[in-house]
Amino acid sequence: DGGITQSPKYLFRKEGQNVTLSCEQNLNHDAMYWYRQDPGQGLRLIYYSQIVNDFQKGDIAEGYSVSREKKESFPLTVTSAQKNPTAFYLCASSAPGTGQLRGQYFGPGTRLTVL
Amino acid sequence: AQKITQTQPGMFVQEKEAVTLDCTYDTSDPSYGLFWYKQPSSGEMIFLIYQGSYDQQNATEGRYSLNFQKARKSANLVISASQLGDSAMYFCAMRELNQAGTALIFGKGTTLSVSS
Repeated sequence: DGGITQSPKYLFRKEGQNVTLSCEQNLNHDAMYWYRQDPGQGLRLIYYSQIVNDFQKGDIAEGYSVSREKKESFPLTVTSAQKNPTAFYLCASSAPGTGQLRGQYFGPGTRLTVL
Repeated sequence: AQKITQTQPGMFVQEKEAVTLDCTYDTSDPSYGLFWYKQPSSGEMIFLIYQGSYDQQNATEGRYSLNFQKARKSANLVISASQLGDSAMYFCAMRELNQAGTALIFGKGTTLSVSS
């Protein structure tokens, strides 16, 4: 079955540590995205990548880094510079094309808690 | 300025009743797409329905329909015959197709509670 996987589902981090959230897709989508969701809030864009080896900052990129070495993978690193990293992180991908096809498919999310 | 506005933080409805979730948007791009997603307590984002800015008819998907009023820049989601499983958070989102970035812009969501 095609889809997006994120791991781990729950992640606990001590202050000052970097952590990397995994996102893998087998939908053959070119574009991938990372969003952050705080309780009771909408999604805010952290980074996105339209093709391999290229990515752009979203609205809240500070304290985060990404890489896109393979089409299938778009890992997100939450660095110690991110002041308030406790949140729900969602990865998404989308295919080229128009209309509904430009919608995004989401992974199940990773809930990060800083202790 | 907010691009997507959902003014109802919470909505309550009884089973089998219809409910309308409001969404207004702001764009100067003539080409855009509007999406609705459902997020149950598990956190996954489930795509519900899509409306393109040039679509002449309102989109429908089963019990979901989108009341698209282009001149008013509104794209309300109508859920007919509500079910207990419809209880979730609902997000309206937009993609401006002529912008360099291709990400969706989300509203803050509406929590729908369906009671028996």
